[in-house]
Amino acid sequence: NAGVTQTPKFRILKIGQSMTLQCTQDMNHNYMYWYRQDPGMGLKLIYYSVGAGITDKGEVPNGYNVSRSTTEDFPLRLELAAPSQTSVYFCASNPGQGARGYTFGSGTRLTVV
Amino acid sequence: AQSVTQLDSQVPVFEEAPVELRCNYSSSVSVYLFWYVQYPNQGLQLLLKYLSGSTLVKGINGFEAEFNKSQTSFHLRKPSVHISDTAEYFCAVSDLGGATNKLIFGTGTLLAVQP
Repeated sequence: NAGVTQTPKFRILKIGQSMTLQCTQDMNHNYMYWYRQDPGMGLKLIYYSVGAGITDKGEVPNGYNVSRSTTEDFPLRLELAAPSQTSVYFCASNPGQGARGYTFGSGTRLTVV
Repeated sequence: AQSVTQLDSQVPVFEEAPVELRCNYSSSVSVYLFWYVQYPNQGLQLLLKYLSGSTLVKGINGFEAEFNKSQTSFHLRKPSVHISDTAEYFCAVSDLGGATNKLIFGTGTLLAVQP
């Protein structure tokens, strides 16, 4: 039982490049989330999804896009990387409404230079 | 909308001393409350959660927290800390009955345990 798996663990991007952060879960959870963590700022919600085909913006969605074509996968896309997107990104999942336990991935550390 | 305040960005403490990490929240609706721990270069791990019932909640690694509705607080305590407790601790809130289960996090408190 792998839980929530994020790839890659580390990545360096040049300004203007694009990339996709992968997130997959094997627990059949309906709800999935992307957070970014910056020093002294805690975790901020970027996007979330309550099921396949359904996504919505969180607190800090600018510069990112998501899709949810399957229950298992919730990739996060950066189209034009900027230094402000240097951060640690966490994916998380939750069984659904009424269930209050999150499972977090181990994170992706992204540096934009 | 909910918000979480962790006033202490860093708490230094000696090994075997007691510690309290403070968390206050703001919400117009009833909430669920959580404490997560993040060890260096790792993801977040659930320490404990308050959903309903007894206001004193016990979690893993000897930690406990008390929900105080009148003071809108959910402080985390441990009677005797170990070096291995050095980590960042996040308080989080989720609205009771919400359709999205979104968690709102505080800015975190770094617990630095010294020998």
